[in-house]
Amino acid sequence: EAGVAQSPRYKIIEKRQSVAFWCNPISGHATLYWYQQILGQGPKLLIQFQNNGVVDDSQLPKDRFSAERLKGVDSTLKIQPAKLEDSAVYLCASSSTENTGELFFGEGSRLTVL
Amino acid sequence: DAKTTQPNSMESNEEEPVHLPCNHSTISGTDYIHWYRQLPSQGPEYVIHGLTSNVNNRMASLAIAEDRKSSTLILHRATLRDAAVYYCIPPGGTSYGKLTFGQGTILTVHP
Repeated sequence: EAGVAQSPRYKIIEKRQSVAFWCNPISGHATLYWYQQILGQGPKLLIQFQNNGVVDDSQLPKDRFSAERLKGVDSTLKIQPAKLEDSAVYLCASSSTENTGELFFGEGSRLTVL
Repeated sequence: DAKTTQPNSMESNEEEPVHLPCNHSTISGTDYIHWYRQLPSQGPEYVIHGLTSNVNNRMASLAIAEDRKSSTLILHRATLRDAAVYYCIPPGGTSYGKLTFGQGTILTVHP
């Protein structure tokens, strides 16, 4: 079974530029999550989708971050304009509807903002 | 929100057992206790979860205190591949399936 796919693995941009990350969850998983992990910290939830609807985006900085999951499968996370403090690993995870607390994470996309 | 307390770091020797503690004194009666780990340069991976009784799987064992205010993740024979950050997920931190991560315990395994 294929895992959660993310791209790109690495991205370096200058502040005020924009960037987009892509995630393909495990087939059949209805719930998709984006987490931000700053170096030395645990991951922090940015947004949670159930199919193509948003369940929780309370910690998403909506002035610069946006995310969509138009067809209830793939998802993109965009940052525009980026700030230095956005340097982090962006992790995508998915889980099935029979959620027992087991989330499956991708390897992450590491963003460096200069 | 519920909080957990874990040691910042622990060390072990290869092939020895490791006991990783977690305090979750604000747990409620229906909260599951979840453990995840994160290997270097990888996303977190599920290890184990439990409610009241001790649980075992191929990766580890989870011992839950009778009052459920603490739990211990047990790696029976540590390998170098077990070197990772181990996260005890706060009770209530899995509402709607989401996970709320703390700082975790950095486990170092010596050959």
